[in-house]
Amino acid sequence: KNQVEQSPQSLIILEGKNCTLQCNYTVSPFSNLRWYKQDTGRGPVSLTIMTFSENTKSNGRYTATLDADTKQSSLHITASQLSDSASYICVVSAGGNNRLAFGKGNQVVVIP
Amino acid sequence: DTEVTQTPKHLVMGMTNKKSLKCEQHMGHRAMYWYKQKAKKPPELMFVYSYEKLSINESVPSRFSPECPNSSLLNLHLHALQPEDSALYLCASSQGLDRGIEAFFGQGTRLTVV
Repeated sequence: KNQVEQSPQSLIILEGKNCTLQCNYTVSPFSNLRWYKQDTGRGPVSLTIMTFSENTKSNGRYTATLDADTKQSSLHITASQLSDSASYICVVSAGGNNRLAFGKGNQVVVIP
Repeated sequence: DTEVTQTPKHLVMGMTNKKSLKCEQHMGHRAMYWYKQKAKKPPELMFVYSYEKLSINESVPSRFSPECPNSSLLNLHLHALQPEDSALYLCASSQGLDRGIEAFFGQGTRLTVV
């Protein structure tokens, strides 16, 4: 069973609109959670990284939230742009463990 | 410098060829990683080096041979690959094994085996 589940699997949104991506995890004990943006055929680029004590972290138009009690995170994209079309990957690390659990990604397509 | 540089960006090789993928970082990171990523799938860990020594091998076939000549370089030697090995190969580095969540990724090498 995948320890990191992301939804929706894919999403089409109009340019200028907002969207929210979800990440639920079962990794325990939880240590850190990171959101990456990955363009097709390119390496992942970090958007945010959060520890268990952080609730919200922003990076420009990207805002990540974390609820360590319910083991849920979300990534909110504000005023989407065509360049936001990409896969958004949620990655979770367990405390004292060097293994990372990757979600399968949310595929976002922004259309004019 | 927060870059992980991978070369080549694209590689096409035959099943009898021998080729190498290269990865370089100058951030002083002591852990380096190779991942394999198929289309529309998350990256899958292949190898991890810590202080230039192989720390993790995720049961990768021997046709993939990693090498860490020094703390800044990581190679992946390829020999007798199969078409199903075609994928995006990603290199990453972090300050240490315990800082893997903070890893920086390279832009990847798109490998096609014909």
